[in-house]
Amino acid sequence: AQTVTQSQPEMSVQEAETVTLSCTYDTSESDYYLFWYKQPPSRQMILVIRQEAYKQQNATENRFSVNFQKAAKSFSLKISDSQLGDAAMYFCAYRSANAGGTSYGKLTFGQGTILTVHP
Amino acid sequence: DAGITQSPRHKVTETGTPVTLRCHQTENHRYMYWYRQDPGHGLRLIHYSYGVKDTDKGEVSDGYSVSRSKTEDFLLTLESATSSQTSVYFCAISESWGDAGDGYTFGSGTRLTVV
Repeated sequence: AQTVTQSQPEMSVQEAETVTLSCTYDTSESDYYLFWYKQPPSRQMILVIRQEAYKQQNATENRFSVNFQKAAKSFSLKISDSQLGDAAMYFCAYRSANAGGTSYGKLTFGQGTILTVHP
Repeated sequence: DAGITQSPRHKVTETGTPVTLRCHQTENHRYMYWYRQDPGHGLRLIHYSYGVKDTDKGEVSDGYSVSRSKTEDFLLTLESATSSQTSVYFCAISESWGDAGDGYTFGSGTRLTVV
């Protein structure tokens, strides 16, 4: 089974600065997808960014970008120009694309990182 | 989130009582999931459904059962609630299984407290 690890329970950043959240995962598969979700205090789960494992190019969505290192099984999220509204819990997640595997299609989540943004 | 609603939003119940949480979607998505969120564990899959009356267990299914009699509704039942089932429960839907790599769409969660 796949595992996802977020080793930073909490992170903080000054408004307008850049912060990087770490995520590592363990898998023997070659085809999969990786995601970052944001959970603000409202509890809503919001998809921030997605990365296909077969793509070498790192995904970018406005101020959010990832550093995907497939060989190292690392998937970090960089938030540039941090805003107060970025304060939330962030989850890294893995979804298998291996049709022959028992984990196919299911999302596996990391433990989460609480991000605080200081004005 | 638009297209998926969970009820109730909050619930307090006593140990040993049965509890049913409801997830309703208007997106006509085939796949539906129940997760629980606990500090230090992230979200963990309880059960999932890949069609009407087609369900299967996730990694933390003990003490839970599910039913899906219609495409739009997915029910999670705690037959006899225990304090260890105090958690926030999320329902999610997806249009595809694994091949398209779409992220799930989540409901807004149910906070369940078992006293």
